[in-house]
Amino acid sequence: KAGVTQTPRYLIKTRGQQVTLSCSPISGHRSVSWYQQTPGQGLQFLFEYFSETQRNKGNFPGRFSGRQFSNSRSEMNVSTLELGDSALYLCASSLAGSPTNEKLFFGSGTQLSVL
Amino acid sequence: GEDVEQSLFLSVREGDSSVINCTYTDSSSTYLYWYKQEPGAGLQLLTYIFSNMDMKQDQRLTVLLNKKDKHLSLRIADTQTGDSAIYFCAESRPNQAGTALIFGKGTTLSVSS
Repeated sequence: KAGVTQTPRYLIKTRGQQVTLSCSPISGHRSVSWYQQTPGQGLQFLFEYFSETQRNKGNFPGRFSGRQFSNSRSEMNVSTLELGDSALYLCASSLAGSPTNEKLFFGSGTQLSVL
Repeated sequence: GEDVEQSLFLSVREGDSSVINCTYTDSSSTYLYWYKQEPGAGLQLLTYIFSNMDMKQDQRLTVLLNKKDKHLSLRIADTQTGDSAIYFCAESRPNQAGTALIFGKGTTLSVSS
C-alpha cells in the first residue's frame, strides 16, 4: 500500500508570490491534516479536511487555505508569501479522523523556502 | 500552559536504555503518541497509549503514562545507532470541530557507538 505522497519535495519562492502544495493520502483514508514544521515553533496544526470539508483549523492567518477533492487528495495554498513561511509542510492522513483517535500517517513533506 | 513540553536533547551510548520524557496539558486527551522523525523524512508513528492505561510495551519500546502528573515517557531498550532521530510526543486534543494533534518540540536522540 502506498504511503502519503507529497509534491513537490522542494520549492523556492520569493516574497509576495503564492504557492500550492499537493498531498495524496493513503488509499482509503478520508481525513487529511496539514502541519507546518519550523525549527523555532516546532509542529503546528494548520487544518484538517474530511469528505471535502474543512473540519478543524489551527491559528494561522487567512493566507493559508486548503481544499480536499472527492478522491481525498488535498491541496494547500499560501498566498502573499512571507519570509516566515519558510518551513517544512507536512501532510498526514488517517482513516476517518475519529474525534478520539487520530493515528496519523505522515508524508515526507514539502520544504518551502521563501527568499 | 498550552504547550506539550519535552527536553531538547538526549545523548546515550549504543546498548544503553534511552528515556525520553514529555509533559502534556489537556487531561481530556484520550490518546498520547510518540512519533519519530529521521533527517529529511516525515514523522513515523512509533507507538501510542490510551489514556486509561499506565503502560504499554512494544518490543524495545515501553511507554509509561502518569495521568495524575500528565507525564509521558518513552523508553527504548538496547538503543542502537539507527535510533538516532528526533522523537515527538503528541496529545490528541478534542475540540468542537474534531481533534488536532498537539506536538512537543521534539527530543533529539544521539546514539554513539
